[in-house]
Amino acid sequence: NAGVTQTPKFQVLKTGQSMTLQCAQDMNHEYMSWYRQDPGMGLRLIHYSVGAGITDQGEVPNGYNVSRSTTEDFPLRLLSAAPSQTSVYFCASSSDRGTTGTQYFGPGTRLLVL
Amino acid sequence: AQSVTQLDSQVPVFEEAPVELRCNYSSSVSVYLFWYVQYPNQGLQLLLKYLSGSTLVKGINGFEAEFNKSQTSFHFRKPSVHISDTAEYFCAVSDKRGSARQLTFGSGTQLTVLP
Repeated sequence: NAGVTQTPKFQVLKTGQSMTLQCAQDMNHEYMSWYRQDPGMGLRLIHYSVGAGITDQGEVPNGYNVSRSTTEDFPLRLLSAAPSQTSVYFCASSSDRGTTGTQYFGPGTRLLVL
Repeated sequence: AQSVTQLDSQVPVFEEAPVELRCNYSSSVSVYLFWYVQYPNQGLQLLLKYLSGSTLVKGINGFEAEFNKSQTSFHFRKPSVHISDTAEYFCAVSDKRGSARQLTFGSGTQLTVLP
């Protein structure tokens, strides 16, 4: 199994541009989520999904959209990039419906918005 | 809502010395507790989790953490560290009531093991 994969690894955008961060998992996990990591702030939850067709907002959803058309994929869209969205983005997945499940993280996407 | 405070942002320690990384949390409901590790340029990996039962949780490579409900803490310890333990460590909690796994993370502790 490849686990959780993310593309691209690095991206530079100009303010106002849009892009999609890709996330895929091959473990048949129901639960997937997106976090952003900023220095001194740990990871903060952006959006999450408990299954195909079901998404919900996390702590910092503004400026981001998600969809979940398949179990495997959970893309994160930046509609109009802003410098405040410069961050490292992590996708994670988990197997069970309860809160006890281990979350598996991808390697991250490093985004710089100029 | 929950919050997590990691009391030390940087912890330098010499190789083979013991280390404790401190974590306190705040929550109005019961929580599950986790420690994750992040090596440079990688994603996070789970080290330990407390769900219920014994308050002392043991992991691989000599890591352990102890849950203290009265002090709302989940401190992480290792009796003898190695150079390879250099990484950033994150404490996290999740709400026992919730149906989704929303983790609330602390700000992280950078552990640097010196030769």
